[in-house]
Amino acid sequence: QQQVKQSPQSLIVQKGGISIINCAYENTAFDYFPWYQQFPGKGPALLIAIRPDVSEKKEGRFTISFNKSAKQFSLHIMDSQPGDSATYFCAVTGGSQGNLIFGKGTKLSVKP
Amino acid sequence: SAVISQKPSRDICQRGTSLTIQCQVDSQVTMMFWYRQQPGQSLTLIATANQGSEATYESGFVIDKFPISRPNLTFSTLTVSNMSPEDSSIYLCSVESPGEAFFGPGTRLTVL
Repeated sequence: QQQVKQSPQSLIVQKGGISIINCAYENTAFDYFPWYQQFPGKGPALLIAIRPDVSEKKEGRFTISFNKSAKQFSLHIMDSQPGDSATYFCAVTGGSQGNLIFGKGTKLSVKP
Repeated sequence: SAVISQKPSRDICQRGTSLTIQCQVDSQVTMMFWYRQQPGQSLTLIATANQGSEATYESGFVIDKFPISRPNLTFSTLTVSNMSPEDSSIYLCSVESPGEAFFGPGTRLTVL
């Protein structure tokens, strides 16, 4: 059973637009929800993360929205730039889960 | 933060041979993780390597195929044994500190 479902699989956004990627999870014991950004040929790098005690976290152009009751969280990229073109992974962990469980990834392309 | 290096960065190998991937961390860590990322796919945990004990393998991965060494707190190796084309993937090592997972740049393996 897939413990975290990520959508969409791919996303094309115009420069300056808003990119939105969604993730849904099953286990209410999860308590850490990071987003990773991966450029081709590189390992994933932490972009932003949230814990369930807050509903939103913003860092620059990147915002995580968290809905605990719906067991969903999303990444919003404001004013998307061509340099944001990468694959984004959501992940979950917590409870008895000692390692990160990753979503399937979203390939974002920002068109100039 | 942690800085992780991996060797080799990429390799092309023949079917039936074995490749050992090295992972070096710039600080002492208790647990190191090995992931596989198949082309265009998400990250799948292979095993967790603790210093001084046997590695713990995830479902679908076995020690005979992916033997792991963890001789000290800053170094680990993963061997991909008796390779087949299905083993063509990016292999990543990772360490975790509270609130974040750090990844190496990955080893891109192609098996012919």
